[in-house]
Amino acid sequence: QSALTQPPSASGSPGQSVTISCTGTSGDVGGYNFVSWYQQYPGKAPKLMIYEVSKRPSGVPDRFSGSKSGNTASLTVSGLQAEDEADYYCSSYAGGNNLVVFGGGTKLTVL
Amino acid sequence: EVQVLESGGGLVQPGGSLRLSCAASGFIFSSYAMGWVRQAPGKGLEWVSGIRGSGDGTYFADSVKGRYTISRDNSRNTLYLEMNSLRAEDTAVYYCARSNGASSWRYFDQWGRGTLVSVSS
Repeated sequence: QSALTQPPSASGSPGQSVTISCTGTSGDVGGYNFVSWYQQYPGKAPKLMIYEVSKRPSGVPDRFSGSKSGNTASLTVSGLQAEDEADYYCSSYAGGNNLVVFGGGTKLTVL
Repeated sequence: EVQVLESGGGLVQPGGSLRLSCAASGFIFSSYAMGWVRQAPGKGLEWVSGIRGSGDGTYFADSVKGRYTISRDNSRNTLYLEMNSLRAEDTAVYYCARSNGASSWRYFDQWGRGTLVSVSS
């Protein structure tokens, strides 16, 4: 069982917006503004899409945005495109010995 | 260009050992903490271990504590993961990833392609 909880699947039509949630605890998501999101295509390495809750690395489209409220973080993909179909994982700094925790992943389908 | 490239995966029997390597290039290796993240077949990502840029701090997930050792050779720009007492549940693709600072674990901004470790008799 993953430390952070994500819905296993999400979907939307091209052009629509979809939001993926990531629920943790006060010991991880709620305690630090160090939530990150990764995109992974089948058989490929994860790619950083959002860091520190809402910041986008250079080259990531501004259609991707992040937010956090309490112990729940969210990734929103606006103006869905076919290329956005992938698995998305949230992650958070957790301190202590288990420094980093991941969510179980959400498979985003573009209908 | 920033790159990290894993090697050393393979098939090993339960109870066996394996050492993974991760060769880094394109950045000042000692200035970044590094980590290993694994992904079992069809499953999600799991953080395994991390080491500070200077090598003076190491961290492990409870699932591998006491069995895995992480180290780095900053003169060779290489990260290692020594895995002992391997179990079937350790079967996964192991990714090497660069953290965002010398002793910071806010996110991983560079990932390798991964190396597959299969534990089976």
